[in-house]
Amino acid sequence: AQTVTQSQPEMSVQEAETVTLSCTYDTSESDYYLFWYKQPPSRQMILVIRQEAYKQQNATENRFSVNFQKAAKSFSLKISDSQLGDAAMYFCAFSTSGTYKYIFGTGTRLKVLA
Amino acid sequence: DADVTQTPRNRITKTGKRIMLECSQTKGHDRMYWYRQDPGLGLRLIYYSFDVKDINKGEISDGYSVSRQAQAKFSLSLESAIPNQTALYFCATSDSKGGSYNEQFFGPGTRLTVL
Repeated sequence: AQTVTQSQPEMSVQEAETVTLSCTYDTSESDYYLFWYKQPPSRQMILVIRQEAYKQQNATENRFSVNFQKAAKSFSLKISDSQLGDAAMYFCAFSTSGTYKYIFGTGTRLKVLA
Repeated sequence: DADVTQTPRNRITKTGKRIMLECSQTKGHDRMYWYRQDPGLGLRLIYYSFDVKDINKGEISDGYSVSRQAQAKFSLSLESAIPNQTALYFCATSDSKGGSYNEQFFGPGTRLTVL
């Protein structure tokens, strides 16, 4: 069975600094997708970034980038130049190409300190 | 207007009551999902539907039922609500023709409290 682990229940970062959120997963599949979702206090789930397993290049979206280590089954999210609006719960999610179902991690709450 | 809507946004009910949570989407997606979110547990899949006639149980379907009334509507029912069903419930959609990412789009969530 596939699993997703986020080992950091809570993280803090100073405004304008960089923070990395960790995510590891376990699967025997070779074709899959990984996602980071942000959930601000509004509760809305917002897609931050996504990665296809067959792509070796790490995905980047503005201040958000990932460090995808396929052999280590690791998918960490780096937020650069942190802003107060980045404060939220962040969820890592995994999906295989065949099932289309998501498996979520337990989330990391990010606090941004002014 | 939001692409995926959920009603109600908040609901307080009593143990034993029947509750229906509704989800509608204007994205034209064929796949729909129901999740519940609990603190420390993340989101867990309750039911999913790949089209109107294809409904499947997720990892935590006990105590829940669903109905796919149309491609755009997917309802979740709690036949006899119990306190441990107090949670945040999300509906999501995805498009089987949307490419390889399997991206899911979420509604705003329903906060359900069972007393």
